[in-house]
Amino acid sequence: QVQLVESGGGVVQPGGSLRLSCAASGFTFSSYGMHWVRQAPGKGLYWVAFIRYEGSNKYYADSVKGRFTISRDNSKNTLNLQMNSLKVEDTAVYYCAKEGGGYMDVWGQGTTVTVSS
Amino acid sequence: DIQMTQSPSSLSASVGDRVTITCRASQIINSYLNWYQQKPGKAPKLLIYAASSLQGGVPSRFSGSGSGTDFALTISSLQPEDFATYYCQQTFSTSRTFGQGTQVEIK
Repeated sequence: QVQLVESGGGVVQPGGSLRLSCAASGFTFSSYGMHWVRQAPGKGLYWVAFIRYEGSNKYYADSVKGRFTISRDNSKNTLNLQMNSLKVEDTAVYYCAKEGGGYMDVWGQGTTVTVSS
Repeated sequence: DIQMTQSPSSLSASVGDRVTITCRASQIINSYLNWYQQKPGKAPKLLIYAASSLQGGVPSRFSGSGSGTDFALTISSLQPEDFATYYCQQTFSTSRTFGQGTQVEIK
């Protein structure tokens, strides 16, 4: 079945780095754009980044621009999010989601990132 | 960025009630509006896309309406499994902003 599985979350100090991954299965990964969305504890959903199906175009929320990099490896059906210069306010559950054509139709279960000293 | 404002932030309702949640965009977004449901500890689930199209497998008691800047999600007869938080999302711009969420609680 169609599935997304995130990994790579953990605890990191402010200013540190972390790399999240999202393994896709059950669909032709190389044909779809992909998103990262996060949710801080007790808060709402916040869109983080998007990458087009072929990886040529990438878009970021202003709050992460210049610090986070979204990438993909279509040969391995994997989406990545490299997070540098992490801040306490980046603490959240990070979800990857498949772009269905103007909506996010498949979501992973999320991976938790905690930025704390 | 386009701001999305949901009303109310929370509501209490009983099983069988008709419930409507509204979402207003800070600028015209045509019909580029989606609705998601999220239960505690779970990932969001797509309910409605393009303002009024029902995602496959979603019960027909859910419906969406609106265009331009004002939108609504209606649950015609609230069921026990519908108690959750609901989010609107605009996809008019590449920055895919969400509303702040509406928590639907049991009265």
